[in-house]
Amino acid sequence: EAQVTQNPRYLITVTGKKLTVTCSQNMNHEYMSWYRQDPGLGLRQIYYSMNVEVTDKGDVPEGYKVSRKEKRNFPLILESPSPNQTSLYFCASWDRRSSYEQYFGPGTRLTVT
Amino acid sequence: AQSVAQPEDQVNVAEGNPLTVKCTYSVSGNPYLFWYVQYPNRGLQFLLKYITGDNLVKGSYGFEAEFNKSQTSFHLKKPSALVSDSALYFCAVRPGGYNKLIFGAGTRLAVHP
Repeated sequence: EAQVTQNPRYLITVTGKKLTVTCSQNMNHEYMSWYRQDPGLGLRQIYYSMNVEVTDKGDVPEGYKVSRKEKRNFPLILESPSPNQTSLYFCASWDRRSSYEQYFGPGTRLTVT
Repeated sequence: AQSVAQPEDQVNVAEGNPLTVKCTYSVSGNPYLFWYVQYPNRGLQFLLKYITGDNLVKGSYGFEAEFNKSQTSFHLKKPSALVSDSALYFCAVRPGGYNKLIFGAGTRLAVHP
């Protein structure tokens, strides 16, 4: 089954404790992206990747890091989380063959206290 | 700045009545246009897209959308609403030549029995 998986689905952590949210896709897509969803703001892009070892900032990259060492994986790293990063996070993948239709993971709800 | 607007935070409709969820955009080039739906505790699911051709596109679950180039709009419609259509709906636009989607803030659709 074609899918995007994320782990963990729920995470509660404290300010400053480094964390990683994993994302994996099995569709051999070139592009992957991370979004955060906040009420009234829709989805805002954090980072995206055009291929292995190629990443670029989205609209709200501050406080986040990403890496793309393998085509299928695109982890999101918060090196020193802060309460304003409490949000719902989505990973997505796509390619030109699908006319840029994006496939989304189930989401990770992060709470930083 | 490129943007997507969903002017209604919430749309209420009675079951069996037609529904419209509005979307307008301001982006460069010839855009690709998408609608996604989000059910509680789920990721975003693709509904339909407009790339080129007929201005009326049909998608999943009986939804359709009409592209209007002069009004830069892409409204989502359904002839007869179901209670199970109640969800959060996002309009998204890929500006011409870009490898990203810009999302609207979302519209919550509530269908009452």
